[in-house]
Amino acid sequence: GAVVSQHPSRVICKSGTSVKIECRSLDFQATTMFWYRQFPKKSLMLMATSNEGSKATYEQGVEKDKFLINHASLTLSTLTVTSAHPEDSSFYICSAGRGSYNEQFFGPGTRLTVL
Amino acid sequence: GQQLNQSPQSMFIQEGEDVSMNCTSSSIFNTWLWYKQDPGEGPVLLIALYKAGELTSNGRLTAQFGITRKDSFLNISASIPSDVGIYFCAGPVAGANNLFFGTGTRLTVIP
Repeated sequence: GAVVSQHPSRVICKSGTSVKIECRSLDFQATTMFWYRQFPKKSLMLMATSNEGSKATYEQGVEKDKFLINHASLTLSTLTVTSAHPEDSSFYICSAGRGSYNEQFFGPGTRLTVL
Repeated sequence: GQQLNQSPQSMFIQEGEDVSMNCTSSSIFNTWLWYKQDPGEGPVLLIALYKAGELTSNGRLTAQFGITRKDSFLNISASIPSDVGIYFCAGPVAGANNLFFGTGTRLTVIP
């Protein structure tokens, strides 16, 4: 159990376009979902935390107007990278929480390449 | 701010060898988590530690919660090729429900 999916797994887009990434908890209801960004050979950096039905909490330095997060239900959160630029190219990983911080289950990630 | 430094940054070992890596923190943690990330995938939880001095095993993996609560160690015995990946330590951010990840140790196992 505790499977989290992400879609798409890879996306290539042109500079200036917006990209939406979906994160779904397939077999449990997630009280909280987290969005991370990972640069090559680097660690995971938390971007934002979202709770179903409320606004996301963004980490310092993360532009909320740039990275729009919607947590419409207990099984779905979306991250939209608006007006993407090449520097937004990265590996984006979501996780779904089922209780405390250590019950986080990670999705397989989405590799975004902005040309 | 919080820092979790992992050592070594990378390791190249022969199949069958034992592996040791550690994680040190600039502040006290009450929980230590060890994750493995395969290339192009999300992290998977390997071991969770909740008490200072605790030693916990999961198959060929053994992790220890340092007595000072500022460090943790992960050992892998008799490494196999599928052990390849990046190992991250992580701990809960004080007062929040999210995790802070370490810098990672990249393991390569040579068959």
